[in-house]
Amino acid sequence: AQSVTQLDSQVPVFEEAPVELRCNYSSSVSVYLFWYVQYPNQGLQLLLKYLSGSTLVESINGFEAEFNKSQTSFHLRKPSVHISDTAEYFCAVSGQGGSEKLVFGKGTKLTVNP
Amino acid sequence: KAGVTQTPRYLIKTRGQQVTLSCSPISGHRSVSWYQQTPGQGLQFLFEYFSETQRNKGNFPGRFSGRQFSNSRSEMNVSTLELGDSALYLCASSFGGGVPEAFFGQGTRLTVV
Repeated sequence: AQSVTQLDSQVPVFEEAPVELRCNYSSSVSVYLFWYVQYPNQGLQLLLKYLSGSTLVESINGFEAEFNKSQTSFHLRKPSVHISDTAEYFCAVSGQGGSEKLVFGKGTKLTVNP
Repeated sequence: KAGVTQTPRYLIKTRGQQVTLSCSPISGHRSVSWYQQTPGQGLQFLFEYFSETQRNKGNFPGRFSGRQFSNSRSEMNVSTLELGDSALYLCASSFGGGVPEAFFGQGTRLTVV
């Protein structure tokens, strides 16, 4: 079984400041890792994913996350945030092999202030 | 390429009634999963269907059921609705080859009164 812990439920930051959203996971098997973003009254959008290979993965809008197997972490970072990044971010894990069930963390609400 | 389509977007039902939600996955995707999202419990997995077979099931009572058709479209049904079933129900589709790169629909907001 897998589980995900997102350590911060809310993160307020100022525009153009850097941000890190923390995610730790637990699993007895190898995993795939994901970050999803949800805007109000919307579904989830895939932000980035770690499947294999390079431990540093990047999205097209400036976010990056690093898979750290020894610390079982997959923290999300952005060097300079924009007002439009205000949203809720979910970290998710799936065990490799068979089912494509995703286990989600509780989410981190990122608020970018001017 | 069309995304995942969920219908209806909003639904209001009375306690004790039943409801059916629909999900049309991305063309070519054979796996459809359903999730319930509430403020208290967050995102919880309901079930996954692949090639018309339930491949995995979450920890929900039997009132929650689903099915998948030969064209990969899926429906979920909730019978004997309770107030606590009020939630955003999200459908996700993926290829089904074991890598869960899932794409989500906009969701159906169910309110039980």
